[in-house]
Amino acid sequence: AQSVTQLGSHVSVSEGALVLLRCNYSSSVPPYLFWYVQYPNQGLQLLLKYTSAATLVKGINGFEAEFKKSETSFHLTKPSAHMSDAAEYFCAVSALVGGSEKLVFGKGTKLTVNP
Amino acid sequence: GAGVSQTPSNKVTEKGKYVELRCDPISGHTALYWYRQSLGQGPEFLIYFQGTGAADDSGLPNDRFFAVRPEGSVSTLKIQRTERGDSAVYLCASSLKGLGSLETQYFGPGTRLLVL
Repeated sequence: AQSVTQLGSHVSVSEGALVLLRCNYSSSVPPYLFWYVQYPNQGLQLLLKYTSAATLVKGINGFEAEFKKSETSFHLTKPSAHMSDAAEYFCAVSALVGGSEKLVFGKGTKLTVNP
Repeated sequence: GAGVSQTPSNKVTEKGKYVELRCDPISGHTALYWYRQSLGQGPEFLIYFQGTGAADDSGLPNDRFFAVRPEGSVSTLKIQRTERGDSAVYLCASSLKGLGSLETQYFGPGTRLLVL
């Protein structure tokens, strides 16, 4: 079975500051990991995904995440926050069980960016 | 091009009623997923279609929930005898192939269901 834990349901940063959103996963098989962003009243949008190639994954809007197997982590970072980054972020894991690519999501982290 | 669309965007019903939620995936996408997002939670998987068939329905909470995709495109999620606990946002996603290709799942804006 797979699971995801996102540490911190709310994170607040100042504009221009580093963004760090934490995600730890549990998986009995090699995982595939994803970060999605959800703006108010919109669907989820993929930021980036790890599929066992490079451990440092670059995504859209300047975000990146590093897969660390020893720490079972896949934290999301961005060097400098913009006001437009304010949204809810979800980490998800998939394990391709039986061909199903269902995603198991964490509870989400709401990011607030202060001017 | 058009993304995943879901109708209605909002649905209010009374306890015990039957509801249908519709999902129009991106044209040509063979894989279709339904998820449910309760307040303050991440989306939870309900069911996955590959073409017309339900390849994985392990997330359906009970037999009041079922979904169809008769022509391999549009899908309808059906909830019988709705309960207040069914209130949530129901999300639909589609991807080009599924079947282990790990292609991006594109999500619709969801249907917000409120059961009074």
